[in-house]
Amino acid sequence: GAVVSQHPSWVICKSGTSVKIECRSLDFQATTMFWYRQFPKQSLMLMATSNEGSKATYEQGVEKDKFLINHASLTLSTLTVTSAHPEDSSFYICSAPGTGSLINYGYTFGSGTRLTVV
Amino acid sequence: GENVEQHPSTLSVQEGDSAVIKCTYSDSASNYFPWYKQELGKGPQLIIDIRSNVGEKKDQRIAVTLNKTAKHFSLHITETQPEDSAVYFCAAITLGDSSYKLIFGSGTRLLVRP
Repeated sequence: GAVVSQHPSWVICKSGTSVKIECRSLDFQATTMFWYRQFPKQSLMLMATSNEGSKATYEQGVEKDKFLINHASLTLSTLTVTSAHPEDSSFYICSAPGTGSLINYGYTFGSGTRLTVV
Repeated sequence: GENVEQHPSTLSVQEGDSAVIKCTYSDSASNYFPWYKQELGKGPQLIIDIRSNVGEKKDQRIAVTLNKTAKHFSLHITETQPEDSAVYFCAAITLGDSSYKLIFGSGTRLLVRP
């Protein structure tokens, strides 16, 4: 079935540094990747939609200069949290919709990245 | 846009009992309704889904029902086991819509007491 591999699973960084999170579709081509943020005991909040070869679309209230998204290939999308601050600490999750023969798998999620900014 | 409401926010059941989680949606164009299970520190895992052309779908101990007229759908877990304890999210989307955005409910924390 469709698998999305997300790395790292957890990261601790100092305030002011940048952190890159990668999501790879392992057995299918993900032309679209969704990036979510989840605070403790809350639902998933869609941050942005990345499309291969074009600019990402950000949801209202999400700073595009802070959360840089790159979708340079059909199997890799990255989210970079720039100049991270403690309030950026959260659980970040990517998701890709199945396409073609995998469309019945719906949306596949990565395993998530726990970001802690100290 | 679509809005999905989910109830209850927490649910505690005795092992072996059934659990029911309910969701309502606002956009009548939505045609795909997945349910996800999320364990602590992990990404959501699809456990069952239903499309708008059917009213019920079952997979072993898990079933989902859909009422398009009332715009609500429910997850039913029978013979619950401690390993069913997790957070469950419902979602709705219009497949074929160019936005492809999954709209999630607020989640239900299920606790199965041994």
